[in-house]
Amino acid sequence: AQSVTQLGSHVSVSEGALVLLRCNYSSSVPPYLFWYVQYPNQGLQLLLKYTSAATLVKGINGFEAEFKKSETSFHLTKPSAHMSDAAEYFCAVSPSGGYQKVTFGTGTKLQVIP
Amino acid sequence: GAVVSQHPSRVICKSGTSVKIECRSLDFQATTMFWYRQFPKQSLMLMATSNEGSKATYEQGVEKDKFLINHASLTLSTLTVTSAHPEDSSFYICSARVQAGSGNTIYFGEGSWLTVV
Repeated sequence: AQSVTQLGSHVSVSEGALVLLRCNYSSSVPPYLFWYVQYPNQGLQLLLKYTSAATLVKGINGFEAEFKKSETSFHLTKPSAHMSDAAEYFCAVSPSGGYQKVTFGTGTKLQVIP
Repeated sequence: GAVVSQHPSRVICKSGTSVKIECRSLDFQATTMFWYRQFPKQSLMLMATSNEGSKATYEQGVEKDKFLINHASLTLSTLTVTSAHPEDSSFYICSARVQAGSGNTIYFGEGSWLTVV
């Protein structure tokens, strides 16, 4: 069984400020973890993924996330927010090795204030 | 990079009719594709796993006779919503799994908006 909890359905940051989107997971087996971004009326784009290699994962557009097993967390960060980062972000988990079933969190909408 | 294309991107159909949504992997072969449904302001819910050449595996609560999935080739999976009702209006999105290097990855299509009137 696996699940994902994203804390905060809406997050607002000022342009240039740190972005922190929180994700905690639960998995009965070693997980793969993902962050996806969805712009309005579009599909999902993979930002980054953790697949049991380095615990600090760097993704596209300056985002990164750190896998912390002790805290069962996989928070997404970006040092400096851009207006173009405004979107919905989904954390997701799947059993490692297979992509048999990807379970998504409920999403966090990021607003960037000029 | 790998691209997954969905068609149509938007469709409006009358209640009681059927509508087909296509999911194509454009530059790779996908033995497994997934179909998701996303209601407004909600997360994606996995509907079914589509395996090339075999029957789809449906998630609990998803009506297999209503949501027909066909994965006839390594690059195409189709979702047919039969006898559509307004409550079927939703955003449907597919993903395709590709084996790359030491592991797998999945790519998502752009999604298809279905409105049943």
